[in-house]
Amino acid sequence: EVQLVESGGGLVQPGRSLKLSCAASGFTFSDYNMAWVRQAPTKGLEWVASISYGGSNTHYGDSVKGRFTISRDNAKSTLYLQMDSLRSEDTATYYCARQAYTTDYWYFDFWGPGTMVTVSS
Amino acid sequence: DIQMTQTPSSMPASLGERVTISCRASQGISNYLNWYQQKPDGTIKPLIYYTSNLQSGVPSRFSGSGSGTDYSLTISSLEPEDFAMYYCQQYDSSPPTFGSGTKLEIK
Repeated sequence: EVQLVESGGGLVQPGRSLKLSCAASGFTFSDYNMAWVRQAPTKGLEWVASISYGGSNTHYGDSVKGRFTISRDNAKSTLYLQMDSLRSEDTATYYCARQAYTTDYWYFDFWGPGTMVTVSS
Repeated sequence: DIQMTQTPSSMPASLGERVTISCRASQGISNYLNWYQQKPDGTIKPLIYYTSNLQSGVPSRFSGSGSGTDYSLTISSLEPEDFAMYYCQQYDSSPPTFGSGTKLEIK
């Protein structure tokens, strides 16, 4: 059974840093691209960042580019999101998602339950 | 960025009713359109990928269609577990973007 479990969320002051983790199990982690998607309170979904299966290619949304870093440790089947210079608008539930893909399509086929990040003084 | 406009934002409906949710892209997205369901506890799962392909394990009462800029998700006969939020998502160009969501509520 595929499982994704995020951790590391919490309350943090503006300007500080936080690192999220996503522990994966039930599949060969190194075979899949992975992503972070967030949802601000009462808002919709926003893609944050993606990383290729080997970790060599990363992509970021404009709202986090230069402040957030996505990475992975395939030996530990774990995805990370280092969040620096946090702002109040980064307050959201952060979801880890697996990306299913072929040459014709891709989509997020499994999602974790999410971890809440609150940026406030 | 491609903007995804989802309508309606909320929809009261009854058990057994047939409902359709629409999603319009700000430019053509070549059928690169997915649909997701989010339950009140936050759990998210895929329903439809590449416009009309049903995700494994999803009931056949769900279907997707569309082309160009206009896409839709149809539920043929509402079951109690279908009352949730629904989001479309395009991946024709980066960044992938989501619609603002449709809340399906019990009438």
